[in-house]
Amino acid sequence: EAGVAQSPRYKIIEKRQSVAFWCNPISGHATLYWYQQILGQGPKLLIQFQNNGVVDDSQLPKDRFSAERLKGVDSTLKIQPAKLEDSAVYLCASSSRGRNEQFFGPGTRLTVL
Amino acid sequence: RKEVEQDPGPFNVPEGATVAFNCTYSNSASQSFFWYRQDCRKEPKLLMSVYSSGNEDGRFTAQLNRASQYISLLIRDSKLSDSATYLCVVGRVTSGTYKYIFGTGTRLKVLA
Repeated sequence: EAGVAQSPRYKIIEKRQSVAFWCNPISGHATLYWYQQILGQGPKLLIQFQNNGVVDDSQLPKDRFSAERLKGVDSTLKIQPAKLEDSAVYLCASSSRGRNEQFFGPGTRLTVL
Repeated sequence: RKEVEQDPGPFNVPEGATVAFNCTYSNSASQSFFWYRQDCRKEPKLLMSVYSSGNEDGRFTAQLNRASQYISLLIRDSKLSDSATYLCVVGRVTSGTYKYIFGTGTRLKVLA
């Protein structure tokens, strides 16, 4: 079974630029999560989708971050404009339903200069 | 105060040693508990779920104490390959949604 796919794996941008990340969850997984992991910290939930609906985006900085999950499958996370403090690994995870094991993708390592 | 707290370590132990990590959580409504393992520059992967009765998987034993709101992970006969960060994860319902809260992780280094 294929795992969670993410791209790109690495991205370097300058502050105030825009960036987008893509995630393809495990087939059939209804719940999709985007996490931000800053070096030395645990993952912090940014947004959670159930199918194509948002169920939790309370920690998403909505003035600069946006995410969508069209058709309840793939998802994109966008940052516009980026700040230095956005430098982190962005992890996508999926689960068959909200209470089950989460499977993580390899992450996108973002560096903002 | 963070909802899920862990000692960040690092814990440096010799091969063959027994090491224990604790994790405390502050929300008594927490319903599910997990240990995830994260290797350097890799994604987290589920190590084991934690049940009230305690559970064991080979050299790993996890325990939950709901009254004191802490979770523990015991690793016996440590191997070099156990070197990683161990993340404590708590699941609960909030605003009708099931969500997971991660601790900052405890770093383990097993030395030859």
